[in-house]
Amino acid sequence: DAGVIQSPRHEVTEMGQEVTLRCKPISGHDYLFWYRQTMMRGLELLIYFNNNVPIDDSGMPEDRFSAKMPNASFSTLKIQPSEPRDSAVYFCASSFLGPSNGDTQYFGPGTRLTVL
Amino acid sequence: GESVGLHLPTLSVQEGDNSIINCAYSNSASDYFIWYKQESGKGPQFIIDIRSNMDKRQGQRVTVLLNKTVKHLSLQIAATQPGDSAVYFCAENILGGAQKLVFGQGTRLTINP
Repeated sequence: DAGVIQSPRHEVTEMGQEVTLRCKPISGHDYLFWYRQTMMRGLELLIYFNNNVPIDDSGMPEDRFSAKMPNASFSTLKIQPSEPRDSAVYFCASSFLGPSNGDTQYFGPGTRLTVL
Repeated sequence: GESVGLHLPTLSVQEGDNSIINCAYSNSASDYFIWYKQESGKGPQFIIDIRSNMDKRQGQRVTVLLNKTVKHLSLQIAATQPGDSAVYFCAENILGGAQKLVFGQGTRLTINP
């Protein structure tokens, strides 16, 4: 079975440009999570969805970040405009049940974003 | 994806020895704990979990110990192998609540041949 799929794996862009990261969760998983991993802050949750509906976006750093989940098999994380401090590895994860049920989250391989 | 160059605590052990990785969690109300392994170029991978009604749980070559009194979690890896080299994260959560999974800083484990 395919795991969580993310694209692109690497993205290099210039400050001010729009960046779109993509994720396909594991089929049948109702929860999708976006995480960011940085040297300073470690691994932090940005937002998560249940059945395509955003549940908690309190981790989204600012209005430049937005996430959508138009259907059960696809989600995007968009940064517009991008800034150098957005450089990080962005992970998507999915699970069948939610965090409150203690279900295992399966992570994708991540997208390494570099903003010059 | 790769684990970024975090300035992490590092543990170096000889191949074949046992490893113990420690984690101090922050929320005394947390009742569910998970250990994740992150290899270079990959996302975090679930290893083992434990609920607060237990103080020990064993898996294949791994054991997690939980001490709620001092809010301490440890991961023991028996007979470490080169493939165990990775960054290990503990994570905490509150079951049934609105909390998010909160990850610790991580520990880098290096296996020496």
